[in-house]
Amino acid sequence: AQSVTQPDIHITVSEGASLELRCNYSYGATPYLFWYVQSPGQGLQLLLKYFSGDTLVQGIKGFEAEFKRSQSSFNLRKPSVHWSDAAEYFCAVSAAGANNLFFGTGTRLTVIP
Amino acid sequence: GAVVSQHPSRVICKSGTSVKIECRSLDFQATTMFWYRQFPKQSLMLMATSNEGSKATYEQGVEKDKFLINHASLTLSTLTVTSAHPEDSSFYICSAREDRGPGELFFGEGSRLTVL
Repeated sequence: AQSVTQPDIHITVSEGASLELRCNYSYGATPYLFWYVQSPGQGLQLLLKYFSGDTLVQGIKGFEAEFKRSQSSFNLRKPSVHWSDAAEYFCAVSAAGANNLFFGTGTRLTVIP
Repeated sequence: GAVVSQHPSRVICKSGTSVKIECRSLDFQATTMFWYRQFPKQSLMLMATSNEGSKATYEQGVEKDKFLINHASLTLSTLTVTSAHPEDSSFYICSAREDRGPGELFFGEGSRLTVL
């Protein structure tokens, strides 16, 4: 069965510091992997996605993620966090051609001045 | 990028009434749309897959008669919460899969339902 684990419920970082949000997945086939961001009371915005090819994926707003098959991970990174990055971040997985996305429980990011 | 609009963004209703939430793909066609429910500080749980011109596919544990889904056109899906109760209060989010190209998913901004 598919599952997505985001082990960190809440992370606090200082503005300008680097960020890494963890995501581990369990999937029988080759996964499609996604990171979404959700601001309070808002819908989801796609940050980046991995389907195949280069395992280091660049996204919007300066985010990147690296797919590591051996570790079943797809961690999200940003070298320098901005106050506007404070939000909820969701990792999600689906199969090629599948309709459904399975979401992790999310990581809430707080940015302090 | 493509836009998905949900309406209303917030709705408050009395227990026992029905509430309709619309999900529109504004600049693309979507044969397939999805309805999610999000409880406070939790993840999104897929409720059902909405298919234009056919019946929706509901996830296990989701009451079909409670959550009526109609996908009347390639740009509109509606979710009707019938005989709403306080436990139906939640944040409902739709997403639409673009028919063209790689079939990317785009999410609406969500609708917060409060049942008194």
